[in-house]
Amino acid sequence: ETGVTQTPRHLVMGMTNKKSLKCEQHLGHNAMYWYKQSAKKPLELMFVYSLEERVENNSVPSRFSPECPNSSHLFLHLHTLQPEDSALYLCASSQEVQGSPPQHFGDGTRLSIL
Amino acid sequence: GDSVTQMEGPVTLSEEAFLTINCTYTATGYPSLFWYVQYPGEGLQLLLKATKADDKGSNKGFEATYRKETTSFHLEKGSVQVSDSAVYFCALAHTGRRALTFGSGTRLQVQP
Repeated sequence: ETGVTQTPRHLVMGMTNKKSLKCEQHLGHNAMYWYKQSAKKPLELMFVYSLEERVENNSVPSRFSPECPNSSHLFLHLHTLQPEDSALYLCASSQEVQGSPPQHFGDGTRLSIL
Repeated sequence: GDSVTQMEGPVTLSEEAFLTINCTYTATGYPSLFWYVQYPGEGLQLLLKATKADDKGSNKGFEATYRKETTSFHLEKGSVQVSDSAVYFCALAHTGRRALTFGSGTRLQVQP
């Protein structure tokens, strides 16, 4: 039990499809993150939400649309994706305190774009 | 900007061998430093951390010391096991900032 649950674990979609990735954290944290993990590249931070407000958007294309309806749930809505978007998408959460709190990660959604 | 550099893998060791995975960083100020581990098919788990110079983080037999003078945070373990096979990520974060900067990861393969 990691405390951060991501669904689905695997997703295959065409370039014209619309789908959503879901993340739920059971740790009482108030910050949530989306990362992209591609082969042989460092993890890329995509979005950060703190207290349900988006506080960072690291130049992510508009075909990725995040949503944070409450402090426990985070979605990543996908539409018109490209083959280079195939990757492992990781969700993480942390508690906003002084210093640099560690982040807790889910097991990820493996996304394949046909 | 900030960056983290790790040795390229894979690192292949026999069981009970000594492990070192090098990590150096470039950053202003005094960031916190982390090692995360990713087992096959899973997300990242925090392995250990250090928040100031000369601090030593340790967990499950792994250790790393925050060396400000060499901007390094090398991961070590005295005797690896097959179950340690995973990808190890070095990362940094600045106080008050949420974003982690990760290295590209080092795959460790331990053979029986």
